[in-house]
Amino acid sequence: EDQVTQSPEALRLQEGESSSLNCSYTVSGLRGLFWYRQDPGKGPEFLFTLYSAGEEKEKERLKATLTKKESFLHITAPKPEDSATYLCAAGENAGNMLTFGGGTRLMVKP
Amino acid sequence: DGGITQSPKYLFRKEGQNVTLSCEQNLNHDAMYWYRQDPGQGLRLIYYSQIVNDFQKGDIAEGYSVSREKKESFPLTVTSAQKNPTAFYLCASTDTDTGELFFGEGSRLTVL
Repeated sequence: EDQVTQSPEALRLQEGESSSLNCSYTVSGLRGLFWYRQDPGKGPEFLFTLYSAGEEKEKERLKATLTKKESFLHITAPKPEDSATYLCAAGENAGNMLTFGGGTRLMVKP
Repeated sequence: DGGITQSPKYLFRKEGQNVTLSCEQNLNHDAMYWYRQDPGQGLRLIYYSQIVNDFQKGDIAEGYSVSREKKESFPLTVTSAQKNPTAFYLCASTDTDTGELFFGEGSRLTVL
């Protein structure tokens, strides 16, 4: 059975304090590893897709990396506007289904 | 602009009533999905449809029903059989080339 686990569940940072969010996955044949940002009361917004181990993608203060067992979302010098819940999801080669993790709620204080 | 439109954004229901949540997409995607999200939790799959006139149960389908008569539309009915329907409901569709899910803005259902 496919499984995706995110840690920590919640993370409080001071503005400018860099950190990483973890996403561990177990899927039979990874098609892609997806990162989403979700603001309260809104639908998730797509951030990145990673397809193979060693791949990295960056967007502003965010950088996503992928190994064969986990993905990290690195946040460099975060700002209060980066506060949100970050979801990761793994898709397997067979079909279009994604398995989601429980999310990490990030709070950045000024 | 292409996207997914969910309505209504907020909905209140009395116990024993059925309600239907609307989901329309103009992305020309074949596959569509309904997820439920409870506070502080991840997304749980209710139903999905890979093609018109076909749909499959997800992990938590009990108390819900769907239809897929048109490619653009995938409405979800929350029936009176759903014991705890208060939640945030998200509709999504898939770009089958990339596997990326596109989400609507969600519908929040509250049972009074």
